[in-house]
Amino acid sequence: DAGVTQSPTHLIKTRGQQVTLRCSPKSGHDTVSWYQQALGQGPQFIFQYYEEEERQRGNFPDRFSGHQFPNYSSELNVNALLLGDSALYLCASSSWTGVFYEQYFGPGTRLTVT
Amino acid sequence: SQQGEEDPQALSIQEGENATMNCSYKTSINNLQWYRQNSGRGLVHLILIRSNEREKHSGRLRVTLDTSKKSSSLLITASRAADTASYFCATDEDSGAGSYQLTFGKGTKLSVIP
Repeated sequence: DAGVTQSPTHLIKTRGQQVTLRCSPKSGHDTVSWYQQALGQGPQFIFQYYEEEERQRGNFPDRFSGHQFPNYSSELNVNALLLGDSALYLCASSSWTGVFYEQYFGPGTRLTVT
Repeated sequence: SQQGEEDPQALSIQEGENATMNCSYKTSINNLQWYRQNSGRGLVHLILIRSNEREKHSGRLRVTLDTSKKSSSLLITASRAADTASYFCATDEDSGAGSYQLTFGKGTKLSVIP
């Protein structure tokens, strides 16, 4: 059973460009969350998708947008890239255990903005 | 902004010794989880402790939670070189409507010297 997969692994973009990152959730999971992790920091919640809709959003500007497809996979789009957007972007899919939402994280996409 | 703060930021010990990491948080929580991250890769879930629990064990891991002090500790006993990683605590807040997000601390970087 494949876990959470993300593509690409690494990406280099120029300031002002746009980028799309992709995530495939663990089999059986219908909820996808995205996190940004700057170097030396903990992950910060960007937003969460469920049933193809953004269910919750963290403190990120509108330049960050997403999409969830009927097969539960998801995309994260970032427009007008800034140098400060350089980070590891983590995708997590989740399922309800009856006690808590167990989140499985993908390996991440390393984005470098020059 | 991040809710949790881990202490210490970095910890270096000899193989076989115990490692203790602490985490403080600010708001009321449902659960507190600990994750491990190797070299900027994806996060691996280690253990969860619910807000009504005070201590939990899993293999060589022991987690305590003090909700009155809004703090938690992670103890790794008989450390191994393979335990070298960054460790993060993450809290969840019940924001209603079935949504779910994790708030991470900045992490403790553990180095276990063979």
